[in-house]
Amino acid sequence: QVQLVQSGTEVKKPGASVKVSCKASGYTFSGYYIQWMRQAPGQGLEWMGWINFDSGDRHYAQNFQGRVTMTRDTSITTAQMELISLRSDDTAVYYCVRYSSSSFSFDPWGQGTLVTVSS
Amino acid sequence: QTVVTQEPSFSVSPGGTIILTCGLTSGSVSASSYPSWYQHTPGQAPRTLIYNTNTRSSGVPDRFSGSIVGNKAALIITGAQADDESHYYCLLYLGGGNWVFGGGTKVTVL
Repeated sequence: QVQLVQSGTEVKKPGASVKVSCKASGYTFSGYYIQWMRQAPGQGLEWMGWINFDSGDRHYAQNFQGRVTMTRDTSITTAQMELISLRSDDTAVYYCVRYSSSSFSFDPWGQGTLVTVSS
Repeated sequence: QTVVTQEPSFSVSPGGTIILTCGLTSGSVSASSYPSWYQHTPGQAPRTLIYNTNTRSSGVPDRFSGSIVGNKAALIITGAQADDESHYYCLLYLGGGNWVFGGGTKVTVL
């Protein structure tokens, strides 16, 4: 069964950083990417960026450049997204999703990780 | 900056047809935009409905279909049911490794 399982809820203070992990299982990781999205309360979905699970190549949305770093550890089939200099408007549910560059599909999604930024 | 546009809301009667569109403020949506569609209910992970314009994701009933109509991507849902009431988002590839979501459409089944 192909699945992505994310790390648990985080509560952070403004200015801190957060790491969200995404453990992949049930498929051959070669040829796939992990993409990261988020949804702030009352807002729509927002694309954050991606990492190629094979090469480690990564690309970030302009809105997050300088604050986000995406990594992966192939030995434990886990991707991580770190966001620094957190602000209150970074409060959101963060999702990872598997992307296939051969079929242009986004599936499955992780269950989501709530990150709350509050003083 | 290019923005992806969606209708803010759509209302339909049970059994009716839902047609949602996804466009660009600059340019046209094409097959190389690789449009995909997602159903998102608060508190749950998004559900992938359609990818690469018109391919249904596993388990998605054939009431859901995708296409490009004119200069926009479209999601068509036939035989609307109560549990189709949700938010629907499109996602487009803009080139250069960049993807962008539309603002989402809230669908109400009256």
